[in-house]
Amino acid sequence: AQKVTQAQTEISVVEKEDVTLDCVYETRDTTYYLFWYKQPPSGELVFLIRRNSFDEQNEISGRYSWNFQKSTSSFNFTITASQVVDSAVYFCALSEAWSGGSNYKLTFGKGTLLTVNP
Amino acid sequence: NAGVTQTPKFQVLKTGQSMTLQCAQDMNHNSMYWYRQDPGMGLRLIYYSASEGTTDKGEVPNGYNVSRLNKREFSLRLESAAPSQTSVYFCAGGDTPYQETQYFGPGTRLLVL
Repeated sequence: AQKVTQAQTEISVVEKEDVTLDCVYETRDTTYYLFWYKQPPSGELVFLIRRNSFDEQNEISGRYSWNFQKSTSSFNFTITASQVVDSAVYFCALSEAWSGGSNYKLTFGKGTLLTVNP
Repeated sequence: NAGVTQTPKFQVLKTGQSMTLQCAQDMNHNSMYWYRQDPGMGLRLIYYSASEGTTDKGEVPNGYNVSRLNKREFSLRLESAAPSQTSVYFCAGGDTPYQETQYFGPGTRLLVL
């Protein structure tokens, strides 16, 4: 069984603060993928990043950065100098192979609501 | 290139009524998925289709049926709607193979009275 835990249900920050969203996962697979999605108030789900289990290099994209640590089964997401437009629900997700490895099934955490106040 | 589209965007049903949610993708994805999103629950997989002609149950399939009409289209049917099926439904398409990033449609908000 796999599980994704986002312990922070809601976070509120003031604009320009840095904020880290935590994600802890459980899986028995050696090959898996981790994802972050953003769901703004408009409701759509926007793909942010994918990381495979063999690549522990951290990634930075503009104000966004991700820290993947297999030793602690964590895949945390940091927003630097937050902006009001970053206000959204953020979901961490884990995919594991099924059907002989030709397809993957995605399991989502329950999400973290980030509110960035002006 | 519209990506993943869903119709309708919003629907109100009475208990016992039936309806079909439509999903289409133009991204040439082999895999397609239906999820439901409920407050505080994240997204839960209802059904998926790994390829044209195949469908399988996900985490919460009861009360639903699906049809993979062709590679582009994957529909979700509620035969007899219940208030517990009030939710936001998302369709997604996936890359092939292995690097399975799923791209989501805009969602359908369903209210069952």
